[in-house]
Amino acid sequence: EVQLVESGGGLVQPGGSLKLSCAASGFTFSGSAMHWVRQASGKGLEWVGRIRYKAHNYATAYGASVKGRFTLSRDDSKNTAYLQMNSLKTEDTAVYYCASEPEDGSGYLDNWGQGTLVTVSS
Amino acid sequence: QLVLTQSPSASASLGASVKLTCTLSSGHSSYAIAWHQQQPEKGPRFLMKLNSDGSHSKGDGIPDRFSGSSSGAERYLTISSLQSEDEADYYCQTWGTDIRVFGGGTKLTVL
Repeated sequence: EVQLVESGGGLVQPGGSLKLSCAASGFTFSGSAMHWVRQASGKGLEWVGRIRYKAHNYATAYGASVKGRFTLSRDDSKNTAYLQMNSLKTEDTAVYYCASEPEDGSGYLDNWGQGTLVTVSS
Repeated sequence: QLVLTQSPSASASLGASVKLTCTLSSGHSSYAIAWHQQQPEKGPRFLMKLNSDGSHSKGDGIPDRFSGSSSGAERYLTISSLQSEDEADYYCQTWGTDIRVFGGGTKLTVL
């Protein structure tokens, strides 16, 4: 059974930093691209970014609203993906989900975690 | 620009069928999409990948009541024999090089 478990959410002040983790199991993590998607309260889904796997040099891509402030990384030995969030703004307040992409690189997200809440407030 | 457009809301009666629509922006009518379901207070759940020719592949455990079809730039999700647990938000999602795009979502109410 595929499982994605996010952790690390919490309350942070504007301008602060936070690092989220996504622990994966039940599939070949080292061969799958990993994504982060966020959802503000009462709003729709917003793509945050993606990190590919070793064969693609761990290439990253980011949504326009987080580019330059957020950084994706992964540790394949721990089956874990990370989202480092810096220079946080109040508008970054959201539930953050990690999601996996099929091993064939099809582009869609086929497994989701349960999410972790990030609140940016003074 | 790659954009997906969904109606904000839809409703149908228990036991009936409903067809949700996702429209691809101009110039992107050949793109495949994915449909995701988000029940209240839960994370999203992948339903299916839907190709431009209407062929689709569903996620594990997705009931036969869920099906997909395509026509031009429109992608459809049909849910038959509606059940109360189908009341949820439905998002379409597509992709390009180094980008993933979500539609605004359709809130389905089961009457």
